[in-house]
Amino acid sequence: GESVGLHLPTLSVQEGDNSIINCAYSNSASDYFIWYKQESGKGPQFIIDIRSNMDKRQGQRVTVLLNKTVKHLSLQIAATQPGDSAVYFCAENTGANSKLTFGKGITLSVRP
Amino acid sequence: GAGVSQSPSNKVTEKGKDVELRCDPISGHTALYWYRQRLGQGLEFLIYFQGNSAPDKSGLPSDRFSAERTGESVSTLTIQRTQQEDSAVYLCASSLAAVVYGYTFGSGTRLTVV
Repeated sequence: GESVGLHLPTLSVQEGDNSIINCAYSNSASDYFIWYKQESGKGPQFIIDIRSNMDKRQGQRVTVLLNKTVKHLSLQIAATQPGDSAVYFCAENTGANSKLTFGKGITLSVRP
Repeated sequence: GAGVSQSPSNKVTEKGKDVELRCDPISGHTALYWYRQRLGQGLEFLIYFQGNSAPDKSGLPSDRFSAERTGESVSTLTIQRTQQEDSAVYLCASSLAAVVYGYTFGSGTRLTVV
């Protein structure tokens, strides 16, 4: 079947290396940001979030960095594993009805 | 149920036919969202339900699209007179109240209009 990641930008990394996935968001009024992971045939899954009053937040093997000056969000994955292969989306919320605005997505491909 | 359930998982329909897509949210989740995901694209907001409030329909692309939700349970998204450009994955998500944390997606319905 068709991949949801077809035609998306692709980041290829070696297993065990660190991955950095970048996202430029659109609205300077956005106050909450989320990274989602989407595997083929599945809905997006929450990875990590960050509020606009923070610039860094760490989870298990993942770190999100927020630079409000340039409206940039990044997701760092430590020791990337084959199971990390997926499409990654950033999403922003401006508080209006709690609906999220999603970025286009980036495909992460992990080489064994 | 344990997660957001969507049906059917795949739907192939002829151009001009009507289709209904179903979403069963997580029990107790008062907020329900529909998004559309075209091939190689991000998620496009369609409609949002929160409890008994009037739905936010600002993302519906045309009057061929409509959605209903009964109380805080099942929602159906209806597309009338389907067109080829309607081909996409339609994703449903639910959350507790009107908050984005705990925004849980279903696996989607892949709609193909031929």
